Amino acid sequence: QLQLQESGPGLVKPSETLSLICTVSGGSLSSSSYYWGWIRQSPGKGLEWIGSISDSGSTYYNSSLKSRLTISVDTSKNQFSLKLDSVTAADRSVYYCARHPCYCGNGVCYLRYFDLWGRGTLVTVSS
Amino acid sequence: DVVMTQSPDSLAVSLGERATINCKSSQSVLYSSNNKNYLAWYQQKPGQPPKLLVSWASTRESGVPDRFSGSGSGTDFTLTITSLQAEDVAVYYCQQYFTTPITFGPGTKVDIK
Repeated sequence: QLQLQESGPGLVKPSETLSLICTVSGGSLSSSSYYWGWIRQSPGKGLEWIGSISDSGSTYYNSSLKSRLTISVDTSKNQFSLKLDSVTAADRSVYYCARHPCYCGNGVCYLRYFDLWGRGTLVTVSS
Repeated sequence: DVVMTQSPDSLAVSLGERATINCKSSQSVLYSSNNKNYLAWYQQKPGQPPKLLVSWASTRESGVPDRFSGSGSGTDFTLTITSLQAEDVAVYYCQQYFTTPITFGPGTKVDIK
């Protein structure tokens, strides 16, 4: 049974980089039928899609975060990761990784709903 | 961006009674070429991640009790819980995947009256 697990520091200093890893277990991350995404949840902003990546490294980013965001994948480790630069207190959230089915055609991939989620990890931004 | 709104913000329903949650998108999420609505519903209980209940506006996920049903098309959608059970106390979110950025509604909290 496929499972996702987020890991990384729970505390990041302002202006530094938030780095998280999602490890996929019980199955392979390598599939052309899925993208792998990051979503965050804060009391003030609810659920916010951050961005997603395919097993080949194609990415879709939320434009609101794009300038600070890097999502990458390591299929050999069955992991994908999130880096968010120059964090502020507004980036304090529970960060989830999740899987979503996709349909790809004519060089474009269409992302779907999130059918499998990690348990989430709280990241606080404070000096 | 497609803005998702939900109503009410919260509701309290007696056990066994019907709960109705509404979701509205700022633009249509119906793709005309396949007549599918790109709309999902999630349930989130405290301390847990969201759980997918319904995709394509009305397709219930495997294992989801049939008291949960999704309906609607275009810009207006509804999640109905026909006979509320104690374990249904949660926050419910709608989400559109018609276009990126993927966006979620603000959530509706369901409690027992």
